[in-house]
Amino acid sequence: DAGVIQSPRHEVTEMGQEVTLRCKPISGHDYLFWYRQTMMRGLELLIYFNNNVPIDDSGMPEDRFSAKMPNASFSTLKIQPSEPRDSAVYFCASSRRTSGVPDTQYFGPGTRLTVL
Amino acid sequence: AQTVTQSQPEMSVQEAETVTLSCTYDTSESDYYLFWYKQPPSRQMILVIRQEAYKQQNATENRFSVNFQKAAKSFSLKISDSQLGDAAMYFCAFRWGAQKLVFGQGTRLTINP
Repeated sequence: DAGVIQSPRHEVTEMGQEVTLRCKPISGHDYLFWYRQTMMRGLELLIYFNNNVPIDDSGMPEDRFSAKMPNASFSTLKIQPSEPRDSAVYFCASSRRTSGVPDTQYFGPGTRLTVL
Repeated sequence: AQTVTQSQPEMSVQEAETVTLSCTYDTSESDYYLFWYKQPPSRQMILVIRQEAYKQQNATENRFSVNFQKAAKSFSLKISDSQLGDAAMYFCAFRWGAQKLVFGQGTRLTINP
């Protein structure tokens, strides 16, 4: 089975530009998560969806960040305008609910974002 | 707030030897899950092992096993017969409720041939 797919794998952009990161979860998974990894803050949950609906976005750093999930097989994380401090690795993960409890989260390969 | 602490930023072990990575957590929850993830240089986050807090038996996956001490809030990972491919960052993670997954800061494991 295909795992979580993320694109692009690497993104280099200039400050002020819009950046869109994409994620395709594992088929059949009903939870989708966006994480950010930096040296200073480690791995942080930004937002997660259940059945395409955002459940908790308390980790989204500010209004420049937005995430959508238009259908069960696709999600985007957008940064507009981007800033150098947004440079990080962004992970998408997915899981499914079994026996009433969400199962293990499986991670994509990540997108390394560099904002110059 | 739930916190996860990995007190060993770096560890090294000789190939074929056994190494134990430490993890402690702080929570007032009674029902939760614990995980160890491995992140090799490719940066892919790979699940190594998971433990349900309600289970007293320690989880085992081939060469990987955990020592789960619920009262002490400790969740260490033991890697037996270390292999070169085990070299990676290892993250301990804690989850409660619906989905909140909190990670420790990681331990970098080096395998010496």
